[in-house]
Amino acid sequence: NAGVTQTPKFQVLKTGQSMTLQCAQDMNHEYMSWYRQDPGMGLRLIHYSVGAGITDQGEVPNGYNVSRSTTEDFPLRLLSAAPSQTSVYFCASSLGPGRYGYTFGSGTRLTVV
Amino acid sequence: AQSVTQPDIHITVSEGASLELRCNYSYGATPYLFWYVQSPGQGLQLLLKYFSGDTLVQGIKGFEAEFKRSQSSFNLRKPSVHWSDAAEYFCPRRQGGKLIFGQGTELSVKP
Repeated sequence: NAGVTQTPKFQVLKTGQSMTLQCAQDMNHEYMSWYRQDPGMGLRLIHYSVGAGITDQGEVPNGYNVSRSTTEDFPLRLLSAAPSQTSVYFCASSLGPGRYGYTFGSGTRLTVV
Repeated sequence: AQSVTQPDIHITVSEGASLELRCNYSYGATPYLFWYVQSPGQGLQLLLKYFSGDTLVQGIKGFEAEFKRSQSSFNLRKPSVHWSDAAEYFCPRRQGGKLIFGQGTELSVKP
């Protein structure tokens, strides 16, 4: 059981470039989420999914796109990177709603120059 | 909107001393509450959770938390802190498909 796997672990982008952060889980979890973590701001929800084919926006969705074609994968796309998107990104998954906690990946540290 | 507040941004305790980290949530139906720990450069690890029943819940690494509805609080406690407990701690609440976070509390442990 690998849990939640995020790739890459580190990435440097130039302003305007696009890229995809990968997230995969092998626990058959229905719920998946993307967060960004910035100093002093906790974790903020970008997008989330409650099952394959279903996604919704979180608190800070602008500049990011997601899709959920399979239960296992939930990629996050940066359409045109901006310095304000420099952050640490975490993917997480959960078996279901309510009482179930989320399992987090180890994060992707992204720098936009 | 339902929210979570962690009033203390940074706390320093001596090794071997007791610890209490505060967490307050906005009013709502019985909340689903969690405590996570994040060591430097790492992801988040679940310490414990509360969703119903006994108001005192036990977690991993010797941590416990008490849910107090009258105070809208879910404080994390440990009787004796170890140097390895130095980390950032979060107490998010579950809201449907979302996990809503406060800003976290950074714990430093001095020898």
